Amino acid sequence: DAGITQSPRYKITETGRQVTLMCHQTWSHSYMFWYRQDLGHGLRLIYYSAAADITDKGEVPDGYVVSRSKTENFPLTLESATRSQTSVYFCASSGASGKGEQYFGPGTRLTVT
Amino acid sequence: RKEVEQDPGPFNVPEGATVAFNCTYSNSASQSFFWYRQDCRKEPKLLMSVYSSGNEDGRFTAQLNRASQYISLLIRDSKLSDSATYLCVVNIDNFNKFYFGSGTKLNVKP
Repeated sequence: DAGITQSPRYKITETGRQVTLMCHQTWSHSYMFWYRQDLGHGLRLIYYSAAADITDKGEVPDGYVVSRSKTENFPLTLESATRSQTSVYFCASSGASGKGEQYFGPGTRLTVT
Repeated sequence: RKEVEQDPGPFNVPEGATVAFNCTYSNSASQSFFWYRQDCRKEPKLLMSVYSSGNEDGRFTAQLNRASQYISLLIRDSKLSDSATYLCVVNIDNFNKFYFGSGTKLNVKP
């Protein structure tokens, strides 16, 4: 089905483990984004990508790594998970200039114990 | 200081009421403005873009005041289905970075 999907939808992991969150979109949008949403902070941009092999840091990139070898995929990796990374993670995509409407995936709820 | 600030609410209003939310932004270079709607435990979805001259979409009206650096959202004739959190979003030109407010929660009561 067309759209933007995220996996897993729920994840519990332990401190220090590496975790990868997946994001896949079928619209061939150039721009993709990763956000985290925490109470009191709203959504904060972690990383974004303008095209395959082009990524850049957002507001809160520390502790995260991204890659984009294909236009449709934008995985987010927590290299060594910490409790402060417990959050809801949303992936989004946008076409054209990337400055217009963003389409969000359903989110991944990550708990780090 | 946060880039975008919103009153978290909640705003509790009866059906049929008119309600208005404001949002202030700190960067005068901000170029694009949006209101998103987020239902509980769901992803945000675009409600409307905000244009310099103001714009309307049915019961929803958005306004931009660049001099005072705020945007507003007016909802007329509130419906139960309008209950949600409304997120103010600002894009600073040339950076493809979007800044989201923390959201304003609206509860429309029968």
